[in-house]
Amino acid sequence: DAGVIQSPRHEVTEMGQEVTLRCKPISGHDYLFWYRQTMMRGLELLIYFNNNVPIDDSGMPEDRFSAKMPNASFSTLKIQPSEPRDSAVYFCASSLGLPTDTQYFGPGTRLTVL
Amino acid sequence: QKEVEQNSGPLSVPEGAIASLNCTYSDRGSQSFFWYRQYSGKSPELIMSIYSNGDKEDGRFTAQLNKASQYVSLLIRDSQPSDSATYLCAVKRGSQGNLIFGKGTKLSVKP
Repeated sequence: DAGVIQSPRHEVTEMGQEVTLRCKPISGHDYLFWYRQTMMRGLELLIYFNNNVPIDDSGMPEDRFSAKMPNASFSTLKIQPSEPRDSAVYFCASSLGLPTDTQYFGPGTRLTVL
Repeated sequence: QKEVEQNSGPLSVPEGAIASLNCTYSDRGSQSFFWYRQYSGKSPELIMSIYSNGDKEDGRFTAQLNKASQYVSLLIRDSQPSDSATYLCAVKRGSQGNLIFGKGTKLSVKP
């Protein structure tokens, strides 16, 4: 059974460029989460969706970040324009929600903005 | 006060010893508690979940929850070098769908 799929696994781009990260959640999971992980700040929740609807985007750093979930099997996180401080590992996770709330993480996208 | 706090470590234990990892949380309305393990360069993977006060055992791992003290811990018995990783504590608050993660404790098990 396939887990959470993310692409690309690595992305190197220059400051000012647009970056799009992609995620396919586990089939049947109702929740999808986008996280960012850095050494300094740890694992931070950016946004999460329930049944394709954004529920909480309070973790999105600023307007340069946007996320969409057009259907139950696909989500994107876009950064436009990218900045060096956006360099991090971005994880997507999905969950069935209640009763266990267990989140399953994808392999992550390592983003480097030069 | 941070919502979920962990000692960053590193915590170093000899092979075969018991490793004890601790976590405190600030929201008394928290309902679900998780321990994730993250190897260097990999994604977090769930080890244990616990929802009620007391101990929960799974193989060499035991999770302990004390809601009155707002404290959750993870014990690893017979520690192995393969247990060397960062352990993340996560808490679900009330009816919200998201988890709040601590920054993790780095564990090193020496052969």
